[in-house]
Amino acid sequence: DAGITQSPRHKVTETGTPVTLRCHQTENHRYMYWYRQDPGHGLRLIHYSYGVKDTDKGEVSDGYSVSRSKTEDFLLTLESATSSQTSVYFCAISEWGDYGYTFGSGTRLTVV
Amino acid sequence: QQQVKQSPQSLIVQKGGISIINCAYENTAFDYFPWYQQFPGKGPALLIAIRPDVSEKKEGRFTISFNKSAKQFSLHIMDSQPGDSATYFCAASIRSGGSRLTFGEGTQLTVNP
Repeated sequence: DAGITQSPRHKVTETGTPVTLRCHQTENHRYMYWYRQDPGHGLRLIHYSYGVKDTDKGEVSDGYSVSRSKTEDFLLTLESATSSQTSVYFCAISEWGDYGYTFGSGTRLTVV
Repeated sequence: QQQVKQSPQSLIVQKGGISIINCAYENTAFDYFPWYQQFPGKGPALLIAIRPDVSEKKEGRFTISFNKSAKQFSLHIMDSQPGDSATYFCAASIRSGGSRLTFGEGTQLTVNP
C-alpha cells in the first residue's frame, strides 16, 4: 500500500521471546494504529498514537507496548510472545482521525 | 465487548445478484460508519462511508443504508461480480478523540460466476 509499509511481512518466533513489528509511513499523517486480525473477531485495536510520543491503549493492549519517536515510525513490541498472540497484525494511518484509514499489508506472526 | 455486530459471517451470491451485509451498533455516540473491503493477503481498504445525518449513500454499485433509530446500517452490492469476492468489514467510530475504529467481525463474500 502506497505510503505505508510494515516489516517484517512474516515472522515465526518462539514463546517467551520479544518481538518488534515496525510500521513506517511517508504520508506525514498524525494518527497511527496497530490492529490485530483474528477469525471471528474482525480487527481489534491494540494501541494507537496521536502524535510523536503520544500513545494510548486499545481494547486488546495486554502484552503489547508501542513507541513512536518519529512521525513516520510506529513500533509494536510483544514483550514476551505467547501463542495467543499468533495473528495477523495491521498498521493503519489517518490524517485527521475521522476519515478513512490507510492500512498496511500486514505482518503474519506465528508464535510456536 | 463487541460494540459492532456484523452478519452474516459468510455469504454466497450469484453473479448479477444483490449482496446484503448488516451491522448493528450499541454506542449511540458513534458518528462515522465506514465499510472496508479486504482481499486475501492485503490490508483492508476503505470502500464507502456514511455519517448519521443521512439515511443512504450510494457510490456506483455500493450503497450504505443507515437506520439511526434502530442503530443499524447495511451494505448493499448491486449487480455483484466475481471480482467483489472478498471479506467486508463494517466499522464505527467517534470522530472526536482520534477516531478509533471499532470493527465488526467480517463477512466473507463469494460471488459465483
